[in-house]
Amino acid sequence: AQSVTQLGSHVSVSEGALVLLRCNYSSSVPPYLFWYVQYPNQGLQLLLKYTSAATLVKGINGFEAEFKKSETSFHLTKPSAHMSDAAEYFCAVSDRVFGNEKLTFGTGTRLTIIP
Amino acid sequence: DTGVSQDPRHKITKRGQNVTFRCDPISEHNRLYWYRQTLGQGPEFLTYFQNEAQLEKSRLLSDRFSAERPKGSFSTLEIQRTEQGDSAMYLCASSLGQGSTEKLFFGSGTQLSVL
Repeated sequence: AQSVTQLGSHVSVSEGALVLLRCNYSSSVPPYLFWYVQYPNQGLQLLLKYTSAATLVKGINGFEAEFKKSETSFHLTKPSAHMSDAAEYFCAVSDRVFGNEKLTFGTGTRLTIIP
Repeated sequence: DTGVSQDPRHKITKRGQNVTFRCDPISEHNRLYWYRQTLGQGPEFLTYFQNEAQLEKSRLLSDRFSAERPKGSFSTLEIQRTEQGDSAMYLCASSLGQGSTEKLFFGSGTQLSVL
């Protein structure tokens, strides 16, 4: 069964600094990978997804992620953090097997931005 | 696009009581998902529908849980004889199309507290 592991339940960065949120996956078949963000009192929103096209995926709000098969990783980055990026971020994996089309989420990383 | 709406936002109940939650997906979306999220964890898959057909149920979903999606529109999730371990945020999501890559649109969830 597929799974994802998010390293670091809490990450703090200064405003303007690089954001790096780590995600490693485990899957028996080439996976589809996603990053979702959850702002306080709001539903989860899709940031970006990898579906085996380009390995570097650009998403909304300046975020991007790179799929690295050799490292089984899909880390999320943003060059310059903004106060509005403070939220909880979830990495998720979906198997490519027909009939197993659900997302398996990681435990999340809470991002705090220091002014 | 009014988004995915869930009702109620909060539910407090006593152990042993039955509760029912409602989810209204985005109107043209054919897929509807239920997830459960506890504090410090990512969302866990419970079940999903394609139109009115329930296609998959998680092993997490005991026989006290039942979900319906009559006519392929709104969905209800009922928990019978609630237990304290059922306390969680129950999330609904919807998507358009088939397959593992569609973007999920999440509601804000129903927070259940079982006393």
